[in-house]
Amino acid sequence: KAGVTQTPRYLIKTRGQQVTLSCSPISGHRSVSWYQQTPGQGLQFLFEYFSETQRNKGNFPGRFSGRQFSNSRSEMNVSTLELGDSALYLCATAGQAETGELFFGEGSRLTVL
Amino acid sequence: GQNIDQPTEMTATEGAIVQINCTYQTSGFNGLFWYQQHAGEAPTFLSYNVLDGLEEKGRFSSFLSRSKGYSYLLLKELQMKDSASYLCALRQAGTALIFGKGTTLSVSS
Repeated sequence: KAGVTQTPRYLIKTRGQQVTLSCSPISGHRSVSWYQQTPGQGLQFLFEYFSETQRNKGNFPGRFSGRQFSNSRSEMNVSTLELGDSALYLCATAGQAETGELFFGEGSRLTVL
Repeated sequence: GQNIDQPTEMTATEGAIVQINCTYQTSGFNGLFWYQQHAGEAPTFLSYNVLDGLEEKGRFSSFLSRSKGYSYLLLKELQMKDSASYLCALRQAGTALIFGKGTTLSVSS
């Protein structure tokens, strides 16, 4: 079956702009979580959605937001972009397996100039 | 909060065994995970521990001691393709994971 699909794969924005990233989960997966990956901080948890509800939230400012649709697809938005928001944004989905292992997409590489 | 500590870098040679340690301080979690991430690729699941003890999956094993706040990933019969970053992560709620900063393993011939 198809994996986790993230779009766009690469994008360049300038400070102050906003960006929306999209994630389509593996069919049947209802849990979607988002992570920011940078060389200095590693993988940091942003938020998790399940059945269109935010279930958990990491330690990021309110400029970072997300939502999940009825088909489990998810979007995240970053407003008023800062240089420090340059990162790889990874989406991960989980099915019903006991382990709850996450399946990651290839990510969206955001560069803020 | 929680701190998850791993060595930043490790090197090893083909055919050898390497142990990557992970220590943590947290008030509670319901699973400890190890992921592998090759440069430029997405992380992929390697192993999972919920109870103390050793879980073995082929050349990879993972160990957990909750009382010691300690886990390790053991890689046997190292191959060049094992050169990657290895990420230790804790699951506290839902499916969300809190990751350590990862250990970059370089395998040489």
